[in-house]
Amino acid sequence: QQQVKQSPQSLIVQKGGISIINCAYENTAFDYFPWYQQFPGKGPALLIAIRPDVSEKKEGRFTISFNKSAKQFSLHIMDSQPGDSATYFCAASNLQDAGNNRKLIWGLGTSLAVNP
Amino acid sequence: NAGVTQTPKFQVLKTGQSMTLQCAQDMNHEYMSWYRQDPGMGLRLIHYSVGAGITDQGEVPNGYNVSRSTTEDFPLRLLSAAPSQTSVYFCASSLRGDWGNTIYFGEGSWLTVV
Repeated sequence: QQQVKQSPQSLIVQKGGISIINCAYENTAFDYFPWYQQFPGKGPALLIAIRPDVSEKKEGRFTISFNKSAKQFSLHIMDSQPGDSATYFCAASNLQDAGNNRKLIWGLGTSLAVNP
Repeated sequence: NAGVTQTPKFQVLKTGQSMTLQCAQDMNHEYMSWYRQDPGMGLRLIHYSVGAGITDQGEVPNGYNVSRSTTEDFPLRLLSAAPSQTSVYFCASSLRGDWGNTIYFGEGSWLTVV
């Protein structure tokens, strides 16, 4: 059962455009939503994360938008650059879970290609 | 700081062979984990450890063993390699747990089982 559904699976954007990746979750207890960026041949690295007490978090050209009622969160990459070409993973967890119930649930990833 | 170091980078195994993927971190992190990444399957947790001497199973543990004798090291053992274990393996660490802390991944180990 996929508890975090990520879309699209792949995305092609022109340089300067806006890249949007969406994630939907089922567990209303989730309260931590990170995004990881993975360049080809490398391990993933934390890009940006959000808690549900805010609806938006921005770091440079990267913005997370969070819609608690819709149980959705999305990553927006403004002014997309060829160097942003990577695989992006969303994830979610419940920080209040205890013991073995604590786990990070991953989306399946989105492969982004930004054409020059 | 080297971060999370994995070896080897590439390995080809024959079916039935065993091998160990090495992982070390120098950040004094309590939590370490192993993931495998397959096309269309995302990142799947194999095993994890919340501290030296403590390990537990993740989502896909079958065919793999781990041990955590020190805080720094967390090797992954393939007992009898199968073609289904062809994958990219990532070791990761975080200060306490990956559910709420930044996860630091190694650069990956590409394993092919023929």
